[in-house]
Formats: sequence, structure tokens, C-alpha cells
Amino acid sequence: KQEVTQIPAALSVPEGENLVLNCSFTDSAIYNLQWFRQDPGKGLTSLLLIQSSQREQTSGRLNASLDKSSGRSTLYIAASQPGDSATYLCAVVQGAQKLVFGQGTRLTINP
Amino acid sequence: DADVTQTPRNRITKTGKRIMLECSQTKGHDRMYWYRQDPGLGLRLIYYSFDVKDINKGEISDGYSVSRQAQAKFSLSLESAIPNQTALYFCATSDSGLAGGQYYEQYFGPGTRLTVT
Repeated sequence: KQEVTQIPAALSVPEGENLVLNCSFTDSAIYNLQWFRQDPGKGLTSLLLIQSSQREQTSGRLNASLDKSSGRSTLYIAASQPGDSATYLCAVVQGAQKLVFGQGTRLTINP
Repeated sequence: DADVTQTPRNRITKTGKRIMLECSQTKGHDRMYWYRQDPGLGLRLIYYSFDVKDINKGEISDGYSVSRQAQAKFSLSLESAIPNQTALYFCATSDSGLAGGQYYEQYFGPGTRLTVT
């Protein structure tokens, strides 16, 4: 059974810092890996989708990497801003389009 | 207007009551999903439907049932609600097919916060 773990569970950093969020998974037989952002009272917003054949994806200040062999992914956020405060979830895509989620990292950016 | 809508957004009910959560989408997607999220945990799949005539159990289907009334509508029912079903419930949709192994991204609704007392 696939298990996805995110460490740390919560992170608080000053504005302007670069930071890394970690995601690990136990079964490397995945189609893709996806990073989401969750704001209170709102649904999930997809940030980056990494195909299994890719090693990284970039969007603006966000960069996500994928190492299937080691079962790890990282989400790098450059020059953090208070508006980046949210919960970040990673999910691996397995057969039949099923997403298996980690428990999330709650990120707080302090002005 | 939002592409994936959920009603109600918040609901408080009592133990033993039957409750239905509804999801509608305007994205024209074939596939729809129901997830629940508990504090400190990720989302877990309850049921999913690949078309109107196809319903599948997910990881945690016990105590839940679903109905796919139309391509655009997918309802989740709790036949007899219990307190440990208190959670945030999300509906999601995606396009269909795995052509060439392509993954079709899931789009999530805003969630329904359900409290069972």
C-alpha cells in the first residue's frame, strides 16, 4: 500500500527566505506526482504536476523535483511572501487516476 | 462561476441522521471523486465514478454510498451519520482516459465541512 509522508508538518519562516518542503513515498510505481496548495475554506489548487519521466517542473517562484528511485520529491519556494502561507499537499498518482495524499505541511510566512 | 461546486458548504447534523452532500461540475468531465480530509491527515478517497454507470469504492467507503445522477452530478450519502464522520469532504473531477499514460488532472471543489454531534 502506497504511503506518502510530508515533513515537516508545520514550518514558519521570515518573509524573503527560500524554503524546501519534503515529500516521500513508499512505492516508486507512480504515474506522476502533484503538489497542491490548500487555503482555509477553499479547495485545493494544483501548483505543479511532474510526470513520472520528468525530474522537475517550474512555475514562477516554485520548483518541484522528483526522484522516483529514492521515493522523494521536494517543493522549493524562492523569496517567500506572506501570501504563500497555506497548507501544501503532495499526492502521487497511481493506477486508475487515484491520488494518494500526504498529510500536508502548514507553512506560515512572517512579514 | 466555479467549475466544481459543492452543497452545502457547512452542515451540522446529529448521530443517526441521513445526510447527502452534493457535487456539480460544469467542466464536462466524465470522472468524479469524493474525498474526506481529517485534521493532520491528507485526503482519502471514498468513492469514484468514471462515468454515469461506473461506481467504484475507494480506500474508506464503509458507511458511505454514492449516486451519479448525471455526468455533471455526483452525490455522497451518509446513511446513518456517526461522530467519526466529522470531516472536510471534497469532490473532484477529471477528464477521462489514460492515452499514452497521460494523467488527467483532478479539479477540486471548495469542500463541505460536516460536523456530526
